Amino acid sequence: QKEVEQDPGPLSVPEGAIVSLNCTYSNSAFQYFMWYRQYSRKGPELLMYTYSSGNKEDGRFTAQVDKSSKYISLFIRDSQPSDSATYLCAMARSAGNNRKLIWGLGTSLAVNP
Amino acid sequence: KAGVTQTPRYLIKTRGQQVTLSCSPISGHRSVSWYQQTPGQGLQFLFEYFSETQRNKGNFPGRFSGRQFSNSRSEMNVSTLELGDSALYLCASSATQGATEAFFGQGTRLTVV
Repeated sequence: QKEVEQDPGPLSVPEGAIVSLNCTYSNSAFQYFMWYRQYSRKGPELLMYTYSSGNKEDGRFTAQVDKSSKYISLFIRDSQPSDSATYLCAMARSAGNNRKLIWGLGTSLAVNP
Repeated sequence: KAGVTQTPRYLIKTRGQQVTLSCSPISGHRSVSWYQQTPGQGLQFLFEYFSETQRNKGNFPGRFSGRQFSNSRSEMNVSTLELGDSALYLCASSATQGATEAFFGQGTRLTVV
């Protein structure tokens, strides 16, 4: 079993929909949780970063971490065609010298105009 | 400010050959991490360099090696290429070692035939 599980999709939604993307993990030692967006033929770019449990909001994006359930989510409100990309979750046990990011496989999202 | 630059963007090599990939981090960033991305395995951490020293290493065979120069530019080398080495190789630049926020280049697409 992988340390981080992410449904690869693809997920197809109409423009304006609320999108929910999720990852589950098995290692309770993870403390740092990140969401990256990767457009086709590009490298990933950091969207959201959360430490420990709780919610974080940035514009149309909200990241949630539920450490008791070992479950993280990314919500996209009022989705736009430009949000069409692959969304990757990543986690780390520490932010120090031994930080290694563990990645989900990514969920492919298509927002249709 | 210029982003992370990876060269070349595309490479085709034959089994048994070796290959060298290059990464120039964001100006002022001293940490460079390398990842292999494949559809089946997702993003997998290869190694991280900081101040010309390898600080972290993933679970890849010794055929995969790297180095970092005094100007923070990094190279990754793969010797005795195998078909399974075909992947997108991504370089990520961070200001400090173990920093949570990493900036990715566009990657080098390596195809081994």
